[in-house]
Amino acid sequence: QKEVEQNSGPLSVPEGAIASLNCTYSDRGSQSFFWYRQYSGKSPELIMSIYSNGDKEDGRFTAQLNKASQYVSLLIRDSQPSDSATYLCAVNAPAAGNKLTFGGGTRVLVKP
Amino acid sequence: EPEVTQTPSHQVTQMGQEVILRCVPISNHLYFYWYRQILGQKVEFLVSFYNNEISEKSEIFDDQFSVERPDGSNFTLKIRSTKLEDSAMYFCASSSDRVGTDTQYFGPGTRLTVL
Repeated sequence: QKEVEQNSGPLSVPEGAIASLNCTYSDRGSQSFFWYRQYSGKSPELIMSIYSNGDKEDGRFTAQLNKASQYVSLLIRDSQPSDSATYLCAVNAPAAGNKLTFGGGTRVLVKP
Repeated sequence: EPEVTQTPSHQVTQMGQEVILRCVPISNHLYFYWYRQILGQKVEFLVSFYNNEISEKSEIFDDQFSVERPDGSNFTLKIRSTKLEDSAMYFCASSSDRVGTDTQYFGPGTRLTVL
């Protein structure tokens, strides 16, 4: 069973601070990694994708990938109350077809 | 910006009834998916569909489930005889590439409630 693991939280951060979210995965064949944001009762909304080791920045978000450690993370800089949501890590391994395997999500609370 | 749409937003049905959930994927996408999320649980893959056939399905996707692309725009999920445990949010997604380096875009979901 291929697993994607996340700390469920809640991760409470003050407004303006950096939120750091972590995700580990078990399938070494994984090649594509995604972070989705999900507000309560809504669908997953793509934040970032990352395919190569290292960092990828997009606005206030930075994704970091370390395939050797089977670890992917997301940093949210200058956190805003509107960032309060559940952040889902999703992994795609071509050998497993094109399905996404999701972690359980980390709930982030940004306090004004 | 193109987006995946789903109808209805909420479906209430009696146990044992058939339901059809509808999706319109992004127009130039070729790969279509259904996922579900039971309240408080992970998003789970159900099925992927390409070139008018199922390319992969999960253990959840048993004989009670079927998918169809009845025309050039719609993609449907049918549950033949609903069970209480089918109550969940059902998300349709689409992508333009199967290689594993393209993104799946999700629709807003259909909340299915089985009574």
